Amino acid sequence: AQKVTQAQTEISVVEKEDVTLDCVYETRDTTYYLFWYKQPPSGELVFLIRRNSFDEQNEISGRYSWNFQKSTSSFNFTITASQVVDSAVYFCALRNAGGTSYGKLTFGQGTILTVHP
Amino acid sequence: DSGVTQTPKHLITATGQRVTLRCSPRSGDLSVYWYQQSLDQGLQFLIQYYNGEERAKGNILERFSAQQFPDLHSELNLSSLELGDSALYFCASSVGSGDIQYFGAGTRLSVL
Repeated sequence: AQKVTQAQTEISVVEKEDVTLDCVYETRDTTYYLFWYKQPPSGELVFLIRRNSFDEQNEISGRYSWNFQKSTSSFNFTITASQVVDSAVYFCALRNAGGTSYGKLTFGQGTILTVHP
Repeated sequence: DSGVTQTPKHLITATGQRVTLRCSPRSGDLSVYWYQQSLDQGLQFLIQYYNGEERAKGNILERFSAQQFPDLHSELNLSSLELGDSALYFCASSVGSGDIQYFGAGTRLSVL
């Protein structure tokens, strides 16, 4: 069975602070994909990143960076110099690369990030 | 804008009723997924269609059904509605089953 755990329910920071959102996953598959989605107050789910299980290179995109560590089954997301517009709910998700539920995304509970001016 | 269109945006109905949620995928996408987001269950996968065929099923109640039409749009039918069905229902689409899923803005269903 797959499981994604985001231990931080809510995080509150002041603008320009760096913030890291934690994600730990469980799967029996050796090939899988990890994702981060953002849900701003408007409600839609916005895709941020996909990472496959064979690629442990960290990725940086502007102020966003992701740290994938297979040894600890973690896929953490860091926002550098946070801004008020980063306020949203962030979801980590897992998808196995095969099996009968191939396309299914398993989501974590989400982390509510509030960035204060 | 993800390119996935969901209608209606909001739906208010009474217990026992039946509703239909509609989803138009991004141009070129063959796969459509439905997810339910509620406060107690979080984001849960319901069902996936690929090019008109059911491909995967999740925690979808028997009172719920879905289909994907030849023009690739999809409908999620919810019947005998209960208060607990109140939730945000998302549709997502991708080119194939293994590709990135792009989500629509959701339909917020309120059952009174």
